[in-house]
Amino acid sequence: DQQVKQNSPSLSVQEGRISILNCDYTNSMFDYFLWYKKYPAEGPTFLISISSIKDKNEDGRFTVFLNKSAKHLSLHIVPSQPGDSAVYFCAASGSGGGADGLTFGKGTHLIIQP
Amino acid sequence: DVKVTQSSRYLVKRTGEKVFLECVQDMDHENMFWYRQDPGLGLRLIYFSYDVKMKEKGDIPEGYSVSREKKERFSLILESASTNQTSMYLCASSLGGQGSGEKLFFGSGTQLSVL
Repeated sequence: DQQVKQNSPSLSVQEGRISILNCDYTNSMFDYFLWYKKYPAEGPTFLISISSIKDKNEDGRFTVFLNKSAKHLSLHIVPSQPGDSAVYFCAASGSGGGADGLTFGKGTHLIIQP
Repeated sequence: DVKVTQSSRYLVKRTGEKVFLECVQDMDHENMFWYRQDPGLGLRLIYFSYDVKMKEKGDIPEGYSVSREKKERFSLILESASTNQTSMYLCASSLGGQGSGEKLFFGSGTQLSVL
């Protein structure tokens, strides 16, 4: 069973508008959440993270929101740019200090249209 | 900058061959990981290691083994390659510890095709 779910396989957004990518999780032991971006034929690169003690973290055009009661997080990109077209993975970590890795969602393919 | 280097970008092997995928990281990270990425399935953890000579099974270890003889190097071994092991293989490392220590740094990946 999937512990991290990204229910939208793809999302198309016009350049300059806001992109909102969603992620749900089921494991209440997760306490650290990350977003990764991946271009074809490349490894994923870290984008932004949030600890469970916060409900928002912002870095430039990227903001991650965490709603612990709903077990839901979202990534907002504003304004969206053509270079943002990529697959975005939501990931979560438990309380083990990360020694056992991250649990990833299946990814959302974001397409920014000119 | 953390660098995770995977020895091959593309690899073509035949069914039944023994395959070695090599990964080296240069940041003295404690933890190393092997994932595979398949369309529609996301990233799935094969094996991980939190110390030299230590290894732990991930979610899909069947058909794979690993070796970590030195801290910086983590090898993935396909004992007898099969067509269902055709995939993008991603090596990653992390410093360890709560919070930012859990962040994974990935290599560029190896696209393996088994014919």
